[in-house]
Amino acid sequence: QSVVTQPPSASGTPGRRVAISCSGGSSNIGANPVNWYRQLPGAAPKLLIHSNDQRPSGVPDRFSGSKSGTSASLAISGLQSEDEADYYCAAWDDSLKGVVFGGGTKLTVL
Amino acid sequence: EVQLVESGGGLVKPGGSLRLSCAASGLTFSNAWMTWVRQAPGKGLEWVGRIKSKADGGATDYAAPVKGRFTISRDDSKNTLYLQMKSLKIEDTALYYCTTGWIFVAWGQGTTVTVSS
Repeated sequence: QSVVTQPPSASGTPGRRVAISCSGGSSNIGANPVNWYRQLPGAAPKLLIHSNDQRPSGVPDRFSGSKSGTSASLAISGLQSEDEADYYCAAWDDSLKGVVFGGGTKLTVL
Repeated sequence: EVQLVESGGGLVKPGGSLRLSCAASGLTFSNAWMTWVRQAPGKGLEWVGRIKSKADGGATDYAAPVKGRFTISRDDSKNTLYLQMKSLKIEDTALYYCTTGWIFVAWGQGTTVTVSS
């Protein structure tokens, strides 16, 4: 059981918006920036959002991140079929002295 | 463009050892903090540990499940990161990725470790 919790699945229809939540505690999300990764089937993870809400170069502005207290959220607007992937949040944990990943959310585009 | 290429994976018996390598290019490796992340079959991502740059002290941190059994090291002259794994357990079976920096910008394709009798 991860110390950072994500819903195991999410879904949406093309063109709509979907949000994926990430819930942690005071030693991880509450104290440190959150990063988001996308993992397409059979591929390595890719950085999607860092420092809560920053998009690396090349990531479309359809992807946005936010954080409030001990929770964070990844929003994807204008959903596309190629957005079907697993999404992970992660943050440094001051108590564990390591990075904690959420369990991952499998996004299905209906 | 940063490229990371992991190698050294394979099949090993419980209690055995294995050393993984991650060859890096396209970055100033000596300045980079490097991390190992693993993914068990059908499971999520799990942080294994990291090593800081020598300029930042070169310290290592490990996840609780591997502490005392795994050792991360680096050879800046070869732009290579290592993961020495000892006393391997069945639950160490996973795809092992190396990645860069604080925020894991670049990832390799991973190398598979299978621990089985």
